[in-house]
Amino acid sequence: GENVEQHPSTLSVQEGDSAVIKCTYSDSASNYFPWYKQELGKRPQLIIDIRSNVGEKKDQRIAVTLNKTAKHFSLHITETQPEDSAVYFCAGRYSGAGSYQLTFGKGTKLSVIP
Amino acid sequence: GAGVSQSPRYKVAKRGQDVALRCDPISGHVSLFWYQQALGQGPEFLTYFQNEAQLDKSGLPSDRFFAERPEGSVSTLKIQRTQQEDSAVYLCASSPAGGRSEEQYFGPGTRLTVT
Repeated sequence: GENVEQHPSTLSVQEGDSAVIKCTYSDSASNYFPWYKQELGKRPQLIIDIRSNVGEKKDQRIAVTLNKTAKHFSLHITETQPEDSAVYFCAGRYSGAGSYQLTFGKGTKLSVIP
Repeated sequence: GAGVSQSPRYKVAKRGQDVALRCDPISGHVSLFWYQQALGQGPEFLTYFQNEAQLDKSGLPSDRFFAERPEGSVSTLKIQRTQQEDSAVYLCASSPAGGRSEEQYFGPGTRLTVT
């Protein structure tokens, strides 16, 4: 099955700096890659996603890039703010018939220092 | 509109007890997923429904875990004879329209503690 690796496990940045979180996946048939933000005790919230026919997607301060050849994708947050502090999860979805589950990475705890 | 809701939010069970966790998906969403999230880990897939049909239950860890969605809306995850290793947050997610829609929207989860 699909395996998703995520790095780093923790990340501290100064407010205003950029943060980058990287993920790799194992199954070349995966075609959908969402990113979720989870604050302590709260539900995972979908913040951005990318499909395999796209190389990059931006939404204000957040961007995601996908390299299908290398099977890795990254989350970029610019001009970080204290409210960006949370755990971020990447995920991949295998495109095989009947398999719609997401496989998640282990998460990155982002701390933005004011 | 209302998001995915789950109840109870917290459940404490003595080892050996049975528990039932409820999920109310976003109205009209065809797909429903259950995930288990251990402390400090990412969610792990348990089972998937398309309407009332359970199409994938490959992630259920044992035959003590059972899920149903009899009318294609509300779903219940039941755990029989709970064990300490069942302690986790159980998350439900729904998605608009079958396999073609990828976005999954999560509920707040039920934190199960087995003592």
